[in-house]
Amino acid sequence: GEDVEQSLFLSVREGDSSVINCTYTDSSSTYLYWYKQEPGAGLQLLTYIFSNMDMKQDQRLTVLLNKKDKHLSLRIADTQTGDSAIYFCAESSEYGNKLVFGAGTILRVKS
Amino acid sequence: DSGVTQTPKHLITATGQRVTLRCSPRSGDLSVYWYQQSLDQGLQFLIQYYNGEERAKGNILERFSAQQFPDLHSELNLSSLELGDSALYFCASSVGLAGGHEQYFGPGTRLTVT
Repeated sequence: GEDVEQSLFLSVREGDSSVINCTYTDSSSTYLYWYKQEPGAGLQLLTYIFSNMDMKQDQRLTVLLNKKDKHLSLRIADTQTGDSAIYFCAESSEYGNKLVFGAGTILRVKS
Repeated sequence: DSGVTQTPKHLITATGQRVTLRCSPRSGDLSVYWYQQSLDQGLQFLIQYYNGEERAKGNILERFSAQQFPDLHSELNLSSLELGDSALYFCASSVGLAGGHEQYFGPGTRLTVT
């Protein structure tokens, strides 16, 4: 079945890099996404990666995908206090309609 | 701002009542998705509509129903409400039907059932 797992909490200092990890079980997962949720707000799409890619970089964000281990990570360079939020990993299959989300990782950035 | 709008922002109602949540997708998007976010279940997919037709169902209770209108806005109807229905309900929209299309989320409707 489909399952997405994330660590629950990460605390970093301002200026450091943050790495949020995610594992998924569905081998038909074709698209993997990272969403950010700030308190009282909706989900903001940060970036996504296709399963035929190993890496995608978008400004301060770097996504790494290890398809063999079904492991996805999001690296945020030069983490700022404004990056404090909950980060959700999600997957969908090529013919799937829905997103399957992990439980979310709370990122706390200390100044 | 994702371009997806949801109303109302907050809703407080009593058990046994019925409510309607409304969503307008981004301009040009034909798919609308509904998700429920609760502390115990996390983010769960409920249902998808594409160009007016139901296309996929997830963990949606029989007491819940949805529809998408010709102008592509969608409504989620929740009836015989129970305390456990208290949650954040998100609408998302995308251009296409299947996977690979980014889903953009609205700000959500927070439902409190007392």
